[in-house]
Amino acid sequence: DAGITQSPRHKVTETGTPVTLRCHQTENHRYMYWYRQDPGHGLRLIHYSYGVKDTDKGEVSDGYSVSRSKTEDFLLTLESATSSQTSVYFCAISDPLPSDGTDTQYFGPGTRLTVL
Amino acid sequence: GENVEQHPSTLSVQEGDSAVIKCTYSDSASNYFPWYKQELGKRPQLIIDIRSNVGEKKDQRIAVTLNKTAKHFSLHITETQPEDSAVYFCAATFYTGTASKLTFGTGTRLQVTL
Repeated sequence: DAGITQSPRHKVTETGTPVTLRCHQTENHRYMYWYRQDPGHGLRLIHYSYGVKDTDKGEVSDGYSVSRSKTEDFLLTLESATSSQTSVYFCAISDPLPSDGTDTQYFGPGTRLTVL
Repeated sequence: GENVEQHPSTLSVQEGDSAVIKCTYSDSASNYFPWYKQELGKRPQLIIDIRSNVGEKKDQRIAVTLNKTAKHFSLHITETQPEDSAVYFCAATFYTGTASKLTFGTGTRLQVTL
């Protein structure tokens, strides 16, 4: 597995509380992504980063914010957690090929978040 | 944006038989198509990928085919074994100008029975 860790691995929280998930990589990859995985939906992109302090929204970004102050760390914050944000969250990293922009994404171990 | 459809959602085969999973995509600009395998409680793991300038790629018992005209691609697993049981996801990548964004299919649960 690529050098990707996520913390915490499991979290239970209450509606309305803020939550921050951390993704840490040791591969020096330029791109980092946050996905959520829910039954029947596969993996859906929340936010991604293409460099330090460079981030953009994915398809399900409402209610989430991100920050990347260092190459190795990408944080996902739920400002006020809701029950609909109960999910498994995966971080991914990649380094696109200069030749055609294609890249292989490698996933972290995931964080299971439950919002009561 | 890109839309990826994956079929079937569940597939049961006997050990030794072949399994085929099919995906279609909507964005003709997509140029990279990876397949991931996810075992229960684990992270998705890349098993094979194909780029748009290639029609077929094989790696031992696994092969992927791509038809750009029809905008569909398929995963073929031959001589299936119990350890092939997992959920398989296809994905298609399109480049936004700043990053390549993967859109995933909804997954196929493959069960290999003895």
